[in-house]
Amino acid sequence: DAGVIQSPRHEVTEMGQEVTLRCKPISGHNSLFWYRQTMMRGLELLIYFNNNVPIDDSGMPEDRFSAKMPNASFSTLKIQPSEPRDSAVYFCASRGAGGHTGELFFGEGSRLTVL
Amino acid sequence: AQSVTQPDIHITVSEGASLELRCNYSYGATPYLFWYVQSPGQGLQLLLKYFSGDTLVQGIKGFEAEFKRSQSSFNLRKPSVHWSDAAEYFCAVGAQGNTPLVFGKGTRLSVIA
Repeated sequence: DAGVIQSPRHEVTEMGQEVTLRCKPISGHNSLFWYRQTMMRGLELLIYFNNNVPIDDSGMPEDRFSAKMPNASFSTLKIQPSEPRDSAVYFCASRGAGGHTGELFFGEGSRLTVL
Repeated sequence: AQSVTQPDIHITVSEGASLELRCNYSYGATPYLFWYVQSPGQGLQLLLKYFSGDTLVQGIKGFEAEFKRSQSSFNLRKPSVHWSDAAEYFCAVGAQGNTPLVFGKGTRLSVIA
């Protein structure tokens, strides 16, 4: 089975540009999580979805960040406009439905550099 | 609120030596506990997890961890470290139900010859 797939793996952009990160969760999983990893703050939860519905977006830093999950197999995280302090690795993770024991399956991450 | 503390930012061990990485959590109910490993440029891979039953859990790559409720700890151990174990290790805590995991800041493991 394919794991969680994220794209792009690397993105370099200039301040003020729009950035869109994409995630395809594992087929059959019904929860999806977006985390951000930085040296200073470690792994922070940005937002998560259950059955395509956003449950908690309190970790989204500012209104510049938005996330959508239009269907069970696709999610996007958008930053508009981007700023240098958004530079980080963004991870998407998914989790299966009932009977599971809480494990998250992570993608390989999208490394964002904003100049 | 849940929280995880990994007191050691960086640990260096000799190849073949034993290893213990510390993890303390804060959570009001019975937690789900996890250890993940991250190699450079990679995502996080699950090493092991505890959710009930035997408090000593075995994981992949020869790792084990022990849940000690009285100490709110879930320390990761390995009897003999290999050079390939050099990586970043994260402890995480979660609750029952479809809720997020809360991660510690991680411990970077270096292995020397």
